[in-house]
Amino acid sequence: EPEVTQTPSHQVTQMGQEVILRCVPISNHLYFYWYRQILGQKVEFLVSFYNNEISEKSEIFDDQFSVERPDGSNFTLKIRSTKLEDSAMYFCASTPTQIYGYTFGSGTRLTVV
Amino acid sequence: AQSVTQLDSQVPVFEEAPVELRCNYSSSVSVYLFWYVQYPNQGLQLLLKYLSGSTLVIGINGFEAEFNKSQTSFHLRKPSVHISDTAEYFCAVSDATSYDKVIFGPGTSLSVIP
Repeated sequence: EPEVTQTPSHQVTQMGQEVILRCVPISNHLYFYWYRQILGQKVEFLVSFYNNEISEKSEIFDDQFSVERPDGSNFTLKIRSTKLEDSAMYFCASTPTQIYGYTFGSGTRLTVV
Repeated sequence: AQSVTQLDSQVPVFEEAPVELRCNYSSSVSVYLFWYVQYPNQGLQLLLKYLSGSTLVIGINGFEAEFNKSQTSFHLRKPSVHISDTAEYFCAVSDATSYDKVIFGPGTSLSVIP
C-alpha cells in the first residue's frame, strides 16, 4: 500500500537554528498538509498546499514557517528560527481529493533545546 | 468555524466488551466527518468517514460510526474490542467553509484491559 514518507524520524536542534522537515507524499495525490502534535495534546492544523501554493494556513503558521514542493515529489516544512515551543511531532499528510481522507506519514519528532 | 469535542479523554474497557467513543461537532454548514486512530509512535490512520448518504458508516477493524445531524454527533462504536484496539482515537471535521482544513478533536485514549 502506498505510504507517505517522512524524514528524519527524530531531529534535535538548538533554539534559533533553521530546520527542514521532509515529506514524500503519495505520487498521485494532489493535496498536501502539515499538522503538528505537541506531546499529549491535540493534532493541530498548520497548512494546506495545492497546485504549488498555500491554500490555507492556521494562526500557528507565522512568518517563521514556510512550505515548498521543490521537485514534484518532496514536500518540505521549514522553520526559520526554532523556538522551544516548536518542539512537537510534525505530521505530513496527502490526499487525492479534499474529501477522500488523508494518508499520514509516521511523523518527525522535533526537539528544540 | 468548525470545532470538535470528544467528551472522554480516557476510556478503559475490558477485552471483548463493546465500546462507544463520543464525538460532537460544531458547524453551521454541511460537514464531512472522520475518525482516525493513532497507535503508539505511529501516524494517524483513517478508520472511517461520513460524507453524505447513509448515516451509519462502516469502517476498518470492525468499527462503525453514526452521524446524527440533530445532535451534531458522530460517535464511534465497536461491538467487541481486542487488545490491539488500544490506541488514541481522533474525531475530525471539515465543513463547507473550508473543505481544505480538517480540524481534529482532542482525542480519546482507549485502553483495552485483558
